[in-house]
Amino acid sequence: GAGVSQSPSNKVTEKGKDVELRCDPISGHTALYWYRQRLGQGLEFLIYFQGNSAPDKSGLPSDRFSAERTGESVSTLTIQRTQQEDSAVYLCASSPGGGAIPNTEAFFGQGTRLTVV
Amino acid sequence: GESVGLHLPTLSVQEGDNSIINCAYSNSASDYFIWYKQESGKGPQFIIDIRSNMDKRQGQRVTVLLNKTVKHLSLQIAATQPGDSAVYFCAENMGPTGANSKLTFGKGITLSVRP
Repeated sequence: GAGVSQSPSNKVTEKGKDVELRCDPISGHTALYWYRQRLGQGLEFLIYFQGNSAPDKSGLPSDRFSAERTGESVSTLTIQRTQQEDSAVYLCASSPGGGAIPNTEAFFGQGTRLTVV
Repeated sequence: GESVGLHLPTLSVQEGDNSIINCAYSNSASDYFIWYKQESGKGPQFIIDIRSNMDKRQGQRVTVLLNKTVKHLSLQIAATQPGDSAVYFCAENMGPTGANSKLTFGKGITLSVRP
């Protein structure tokens, strides 16, 4: 596809269930980010992948959150035992820059709106 | 810095006036800066960027100014239109490699354009 694709676009889950969110970055982009955005608030950094380097997980709020990326392709963000406080829009972004070449803009997907009931 | 736990401040401007949105960034080693616009229900979209070897960069109706001495970034929008109403974020990159190479966002400001 032409842009960053996220699925599902909306997810309603019961408290205590696990959820998996998917991000398909733009082909060839080495950098991939996950952010969380609560209603009316800013972007909260979660995790950053850059090529084959170890991911920067410093933004993950608890051990219930984890993310994986297969090479420079798809990434999945998993939230275990979801809580109502996890309700938010989860945004993924990818960028061709970083690593061996200068940084450039990151391109965002439309996000996954997660509602925990 | 990170934008967690705070509702966003609002800047209200009259249609046709110029808007100035300000951002204080956190790291003097940052070498690349971006302004994003986020409309309701959408992901952030790129507006304009600037590297640290520049003080000013102009786009179509937008200008970004960088003051490295005081770690300040601003976005100027000329002749503000209703379609400019959105949340605006600044972002910084602290270098192309290593632990600080990730893109870090500021808190965001809501721009509201009065007709």
